[in-house]
Amino acid sequence: GESVGLHLPTLSVQEGDNSIINCAYSNSASDYFIWYKQESGKGPQFIIDIRSNMDKRQGQRVTVLLNKTVKHLSLQIAATQPGDSAVYFCAERGGGTSYGKLTFGQGTILTVHP
Amino acid sequence: DAGVIQSPRHEVTEMGQEVTLRCKPISGHNSLFWYRQTMMRGLELLIYFNNNVPIDDSGMPEDRFSAKMPNASFSTLKIQPSEPRDSAVYFCASRYRQGADTEAFFGQGTRLTVV
Repeated sequence: GESVGLHLPTLSVQEGDNSIINCAYSNSASDYFIWYKQESGKGPQFIIDIRSNMDKRQGQRVTVLLNKTVKHLSLQIAATQPGDSAVYFCAERGGGTSYGKLTFGQGTILTVHP
Repeated sequence: DAGVIQSPRHEVTEMGQEVTLRCKPISGHNSLFWYRQTMMRGLELLIYFNNNVPIDDSGMPEDRFSAKMPNASFSTLKIQPSEPRDSAVYFCASRYRQGADTEAFFGQGTRLTVV
């Protein structure tokens, strides 16, 4: 049969708008989460992280929200700029038997229009 | 520190050949990860090491893939024999320690093309 690639979620915004990128994680025992940004031709780069005992953490222009009840993460980018255009990944550090294991979500493509 | 260093940056090889990808983690980091990125499957964890010991290799596709970490400053990912479906970007990442609440730092990746 024919194989299909991943259909990454996409988000298209205007420069200056706020962006919200969502991620569902899989392991209820995961205790640490990271958002990464990946630009074309480069490896993923760290944006912000959050421990499982927190529900919100703010950085410069970015905020991460964690809802453990529904295993959901979001990344909010304020005043989005064209340089923010990239693929964004959430990553979870496994707990229990998967302790230390860092696994990634499928990614979201963010496009910022000037 | 120069960050995580991977070599080569690009590799083109013929089907059936052996391919070896190399990684130098950040000095002082004792967790190391190998990932494969493709359009089909996204960013997949292949294997990770802690203190040079493989902890979880459940993501290694099949016996053609093997990874070693002979010391704290070097790791290899080998594919023998290579197949066209192995074409992907392979990333190495390192992290301060397994239990630390710190991010993993990624190398620039090796783009592998098997023809």
